[in-house]
Amino acid sequence: DQQVKQNSPSLSVQEGRISILNCDYTNSMFDYFLWYKKYPAEGPTFLISISSIKDKNEDGRFTVFLNKSAKHLSLHIVPSQPGDSAVYFCAASHSGAGSYQLTFGKGTKLSVIP
Amino acid sequence: DGGITQSPKYLFRKEGQNVTLSCEQNLNHDAMYWYRQDPGQGLRLIYYSQIVNDFQKGDIAEGYSVSREKKESFPLTVTSAQKNPTAFYLCASRITGVSYGYTFGSGTRLTVV
Repeated sequence: DQQVKQNSPSLSVQEGRISILNCDYTNSMFDYFLWYKKYPAEGPTFLISISSIKDKNEDGRFTVFLNKSAKHLSLHIVPSQPGDSAVYFCAASHSGAGSYQLTFGKGTKLSVIP
Repeated sequence: DGGITQSPKYLFRKEGQNVTLSCEQNLNHDAMYWYRQDPGQGLRLIYYSQIVNDFQKGDIAEGYSVSREKKESFPLTVTSAQKNPTAFYLCASRITGVSYGYTFGSGTRLTVV
């Protein structure tokens, strides 16, 4: 059973426009969420995170929104740039687990078209 | 410069052979993790270790083994019992109690020939 779902395997966006990547989760124990960006043949790099006590977190062009009642989060990139083209992974964790394990979604491949 | 080093970047193995993937970190992180990525799949946890000389199985530990004799090192052995070992393997580390954010290595692509 997939606890973190990214239902869009790919997304194409024009340069300068907004990119919206979505993520749904099923485990109500998750209380911390992260987005990672990954280029081919490289390790993921941390992008932005949000705690369940917040509904929004912003860092430059990147904003993550959390809707706990819908068990849904989204990553907004504004404006999108060609260098943003990568695979984006949504990840979740719950503090009660103690191990701080992250559960990852399958990823969404973002292509920003110049 | 602190970071995680995974070696080698590409590895080829014959069926029936064991192979060990290296992961070294100089970040002074307590916890270390091994993930596997397959095409179109997310990262799946193989093993993790929160402290030296202790490690726990993740979701897909069968056919793998690890050791944690030093804080800096967390090698992963892919044994012949692993039925489908061809994949991209990622090592990560995290400092205990500070944040959930992991630092990842650049990965090892293992191909069974």
